[in-house]
Amino acid sequence: DAMVIQNPRYQVTQFGKPVTLSCSQTLNHNVMYWYQQKSSQAPKLLFHYYDKDFNNEADTPDNFQSRRPNTSFCFLDIRSPGLGDAAMYLCATSLSGRTEAFFGQGTRLTVV
Amino acid sequence: AQTVTQSQPEMSVQEAETVTLSCTYDTSESNYYLFWYKQPPSRQMILVIRQEAYKQQNATENRFSVNFQKAAKSFSLKISDSQLGDTAMYFCASSSNAGNMLTFGGGTRLMVKP
Repeated sequence: DAMVIQNPRYQVTQFGKPVTLSCSQTLNHNVMYWYQQKSSQAPKLLFHYYDKDFNNEADTPDNFQSRRPNTSFCFLDIRSPGLGDAAMYLCATSLSGRTEAFFGQGTRLTVV
Repeated sequence: AQTVTQSQPEMSVQEAETVTLSCTYDTSESNYYLFWYKQPPSRQMILVIRQEAYKQQNATENRFSVNFQKAAKSFSLKISDSQLGDTAMYFCASSSNAGNMLTFGGGTRLMVKP
């Protein structure tokens, strides 16, 4: 059973055209994360939501925004994608007080 | 701040053999957690094993065990009786007691050969 679902699995967008990636979860976890994973590199945390509280990493570009309208859904918005934003984007969830994070399958973003 | 380093970009092992993946880390936290995550090709990342830094006993999960050397800041993963399904990218990661934000190492691509 899929517990953290990311849509779409593959996304192609044009240079500079806004794009939104989505993540949903059936685990009722209160913490949700977005990681960026470039080819052959480690995933890098962009930001996370602790309940409704948004926490941005210091080096996350302003081009990246996020929304969490409810517990189950979280969106990653890239306002003006550049070629350097091509990557796998991973959504993850966890429950506060527990150490395990659950990941989605990721969305591979291509910028053309 | 935390850093995690995996010095082996790629490794291979024969089926049924044992393999050890290396990981070193650095942290200023007094309490922290260490993890090994597995990312199979085109599938989601899953937790393999975790270690709480304040526990001296090495964690074990079936065929997977760790060698946690706190003073040396080393956290290696041993896979016994390797299976073809163990073929994946393995990431070592750490998090602080303050939250579950993970800092990942660069990964080790493990190939299990029949």
